[in-house]
Amino acid sequence: AQRVTQPEKLLSVFKGAPVELKCNYSYSGSPELFWYVQYSRQRLQLLLRHISRESIKGFTADLNKGETSFHLKKPFAQEEDSAMYYCALLDRGGYNKLIFGAGTRLAVHP
Amino acid sequence: GAGVSQTPSNKVTEKGKYVELRCDPISGHTALYWYRQSLGQGPEFLIYFQGTGAADDSGLPNDRFFAVRPEGSVSTLKIQRTERGDSAVYLCASSRGGGSYNEQFFGPGTRLTVL
Repeated sequence: AQRVTQPEKLLSVFKGAPVELKCNYSYSGSPELFWYVQYSRQRLQLLLRHISRESIKGFTADLNKGETSFHLKKPFAQEEDSAMYYCALLDRGGYNKLIFGAGTRLAVHP
Repeated sequence: GAGVSQTPSNKVTEKGKYVELRCDPISGHTALYWYRQSLGQGPEFLIYFQGTGAADDSGLPNDRFFAVRPEGSVSTLKIQRTERGDSAVYLCASSRGGGSYNEQFFGPGTRLTVL
């Protein structure tokens, strides 16, 4: 079954601390993964996708096929990073619909 | 430019009533998706349109749910005989479509509450 698991509902850190938001997936083909972010009172938006191999707002994520993981990392958290983060898997066999995890709320305290 | 818009932003209805939720995609986007997000969960796929036709409706939970996109632009999600379990945020997303992945742009959602 195709599934995305985000084991933490809430991650609470202090400003300047490193952050790692965990994401594990289950997919029978070659996976394509994304991180979406939803800031308070804003709509869901794409943060980054693994095939781009880019860093957005200081965040990076590496696809680890051996561990079936796509963890989101940032070395030094900022207060403006506080948001809901969703890991998502592309279902290519299903017209490119997205399969989302349950989300992790990141709270960065001053 | 204008993003995806959804109306109404909030809808409160009584159990058993009929509701319609509207989505206006980004101009020129041929692909349109509906997702449902229940409290504490991530969005779950409901239905996908490519142009006017529903190419994949495998996510619709039952036959009380129906969606249309008659002119290949605006889409309406229709829920008959609403139940309390239908309470959720209904999200619409659009993309350029095509064979390879095109970024899906999400609307602000409609929060449906069934009393």
